Amino acid sequence: DTGVSQDPRHKITKRGQNVTFRCDPISEHNRLYWYRQTLGQGPEFLTYFQNEAQLEKSRLLSDRFSAERPKGSFSTLEIQRTEQGDSAMYLCASSFRGELFFGEGSRLTVL
Amino acid sequence: AQKITQTQPGMFVQEKEAVTLDCTYDTSDPSYGLFWYKQPSSGEMIFLIYQGSYDQQNATEGRYSLNFQKARKSANLVISASQLGDSAMYFCAMREVDTGANSKLTFGKGITLSVRP
Repeated sequence: DTGVSQDPRHKITKRGQNVTFRCDPISEHNRLYWYRQTLGQGPEFLTYFQNEAQLEKSRLLSDRFSAERPKGSFSTLEIQRTEQGDSAMYLCASSFRGELFFGEGSRLTVL
Repeated sequence: AQKITQTQPGMFVQEKEAVTLDCTYDTSDPSYGLFWYKQPSSGEMIFLIYQGSYDQQNATEGRYSLNFQKARKSANLVISASQLGDSAMYFCAMREVDTGANSKLTFGKGITLSVRP
């Protein structure tokens, strides 16, 4: 399968713990996006990379959130000291010329 | 700031019939792109159709067509010959500047479509 893959697909954690999600984009896609989707809402933009450079961050991305794309290929999204409000689906997408291709998402539940 | 509005409650359609899903948008950019995505219960966002603000004709992709009314700022999705597999959430989205360089999208809240056999 050469689509966007995300890992893990599901994560249950206790409040205060750290979690990390990984996204492997479609190879040769130089742009990578992270979105967050809460129940009953559409996805909301979090951050965007072009190659290894993080070019834009939403105000939704608090100091507890950090995203990296060290070699311009896969990306990680880390949430430190998780809160119940962080419970959501975290979607990764990649693009080359415009159209976004999404992964199946990583669902986070914070107890 | 951009805004996408999807206000329909859950929609129901009989199998093999057509259905229209509404989307209105607001932007001050003269150049923009409009998208529709399908999200089944698995969670993956599946691209359906795209309309550029300067496109002269309404976009069509198989059973999907986009009824683009620029003056009304609406971009309704029409699904013809509904199938059971069309049951899903449908999201309308807009891209800021239609150059393809940055694909950041603003999404609406989505509409649930249920297809009845």
